[in-house]
Amino acid sequence: NAGVTQTPKFRVLKTGQSMTLLCAQDMNHEYMYWYRQDPGMGLRLIHYSVGEGTTAKGEVPDGYNVSRLKKQNFLLGLESAAPSQTSVYFCASSLAGQPQHFGDGTRLSIL
Amino acid sequence: GEDVEQSLFLSVREGDSSVINCTYTDSSSTYLYWYKQEPGAGLQLLTYIFSNMDMKQDQRLTVLLNKKDKHLSLRIADTQTGDSAIYFCADMNRDDKIIFGKGTRLHILP
Repeated sequence: NAGVTQTPKFRVLKTGQSMTLLCAQDMNHEYMYWYRQDPGMGLRLIHYSVGEGTTAKGEVPDGYNVSRLKKQNFLLGLESAAPSQTSVYFCASSLAGQPQHFGDGTRLSIL
Repeated sequence: GEDVEQSLFLSVREGDSSVINCTYTDSSSTYLYWYKQEPGAGLQLLTYIFSNMDMKQDQRLTVLLNKKDKHLSLRIADTQTGDSAIYFCADMNRDDKIIFGKGTRLHILP
């Protein structure tokens, strides 16, 4: 049972570089989410999607873009990475009105 | 806006009961959740309670909900070293929006 899979697990970037984080779920969930987790800040919602082809902004969307071209995948992009984006990124998915299932996270460091 | 509050740290002796508390402000909660996060891992759903329930018990876990005071608690009986983790309280409202607390780090003393 794969559940929610995030790739890569770790990445180090230089300021100004771009990259895409991939989230894949095999549970046929409609909803998908991207969070960042920082010490003392808990989880903060970056963007989310309620279905294929739709995305919406969360609490901290600036500096990030997302795409949901296929139901099972939710991509998070950093166009020009900044040190403030050093964090652990979590993807989650759910059915409507149901608990979210989380991936194991991507640890991203921006130098 | 809506908020979920929980204390950041809790230390408990092995074998004792742990009680993690959470308060929330949302008046339209449908479900309240407890997630567990072990080091280096994602959040794992531990248990949940529907907003019209007062209590839910699941093996060593007991969830109590006081809807009037908007207070939720998680009691872990016979706390073990494997219970050491961060515990997140989360609240879902009628719009399916989930608000997470900042997490309570549970430390087990020998």
